[in-house]
Amino acid sequence: DTAVSQTPKYLVTQMGNDKSIKCEQNLGHDTMYWYKQDSKKFLKIMFSYNNKELIINETVPNRFSPKSPDKAHLNLHINSLELGDSAVYFCASSQDRSEQFFGPGTRLTVL
Amino acid sequence: QQQVKQSPQSLIVQKGGISIINCAYENTAFDYFPWYQQFPGKGPALLIAIRPDVSEKKEGRFTISFNKSAKQFSLHIMDSQPGDSATYFCAASRGGATNKLIFGTGTLLAVQP
Repeated sequence: DTAVSQTPKYLVTQMGNDKSIKCEQNLGHDTMYWYKQDSKKFLKIMFSYNNKELIINETVPNRFSPKSPDKAHLNLHINSLELGDSAVYFCASSQDRSEQFFGPGTRLTVL
Repeated sequence: QQQVKQSPQSLIVQKGGISIINCAYENTAFDYFPWYQQFPGKGPALLIAIRPDVSEKKEGRFTISFNKSAKQFSLHIMDSQPGDSATYFCAASRGGATNKLIFGTGTLLAVQP
């Protein structure tokens, strides 16, 4: 009965590869987010979708493309991975302006 | 630019002591100020939050103090316990459709037994 789940938990890949991270929430929330946490633990929002519509798109390289097939799912696809993309990526969800519930994170390591 | 400044970067407190973490913001349009707690290998989880119409909010051992004129808010953890050892993030957001949270840089708290 996990509220916000992400797969995979760990992702190790070579530079130049393309990878995807999946997120699902079973809370019935309308809004979902992707955050990046760097090696210094700084958390920064990347994207947000509300009812499948993109509402936040921070200054993120266009190699990152979110996709929301329905309001319970928000996936993140990353093309041509670079060393600097190594980080922990968190998915979150919320209803209106209430609490944001975070997933367990996906640790991406680019070699 | 860093819109929410958090200090200290790390904090060591003895069991039973008071832990205090401070944050300052710049944007007066912010109207929601949550604190998140993150344990190693886990996602952040909401601890307590405040809106600027009150100066203090208390939930158990956790209290937020809010000073609107100074644009500062702080988290106080009373009777700190080893289980409180974690990274704490303040954050802020403003009204509108996006609910975009701007996070502070985090404080690593270690409570020694």
